[in-house]
Amino acid sequence: SAVISQKPSRDICQRGTSLTIQCQVDSQVTMMFWYRQQPGQSLTLIATANQGSEATYESGFVIDKFPISRPNLTFSTLTVSNMSPEDSSIYLCSVVRGGSYNEQFFGPGTRLTVL
Amino acid sequence: KNQVEQSPQSLIILEGKNCTLQCNYTVSPFSNLRWYKQDTGRGPVSLTIMTFSENTKSNGRYTATLDADTKQSSLHITASQLSDSASYICVVSAGAMFDMRFGAGTRLTVKP
Repeated sequence: SAVISQKPSRDICQRGTSLTIQCQVDSQVTMMFWYRQQPGQSLTLIATANQGSEATYESGFVIDKFPISRPNLTFSTLTVSNMSPEDSSIYLCSVVRGGSYNEQFFGPGTRLTVL
Repeated sequence: KNQVEQSPQSLIILEGKNCTLQCNYTVSPFSNLRWYKQDTGRGPVSLTIMTFSENTKSNGRYTATLDADTKQSSLHITASQLSDSASYICVVSAGAMFDMRFGAGTRLTVKP
């Protein structure tokens, strides 16, 4: 399995500010993803964090709002910019390991509340 | 329209009882189906993964079944424990390697 840590685990932020979430993996992985989980909902993919190139964003998510960095194969950051209460969610980092099933592992999540 | 539908949305059972959660999907082409357990405030943890050719897979008290013809899967929990209280998420992988489609989850509460 993959050990994934996220910082911070939770935060309460003011409207209009930005928060950067860090994701650290215990070993090198090719595929790293960022998800959002709104209250009572399932996971929605925000973007794929690509090492050495710009992230690939899903429909409805843009780089200006959710800039992502991936400086190496074990680390990534997601910034939630110019936050509004609608951004209150759990943000999860995820990686995929190779093998026969391409198993997907998730970090513990960052619980964000925007006032 | 969500291509992965789970039922029921929520379920309450008594400790020691069995239960079955359902997942129907319309995702095509199909690569594999995964069941995850997500405790409150935590990230999802994989329970089982099944490919097209696998009909059943067990992980302790959790047994998943897959009928690829009818595009249905179930997760059966035997002799439930309080620690089974969590959300259970069905995820179907479409043709592209990392194209995952998530169900909304079933919220299970096990009461003493």
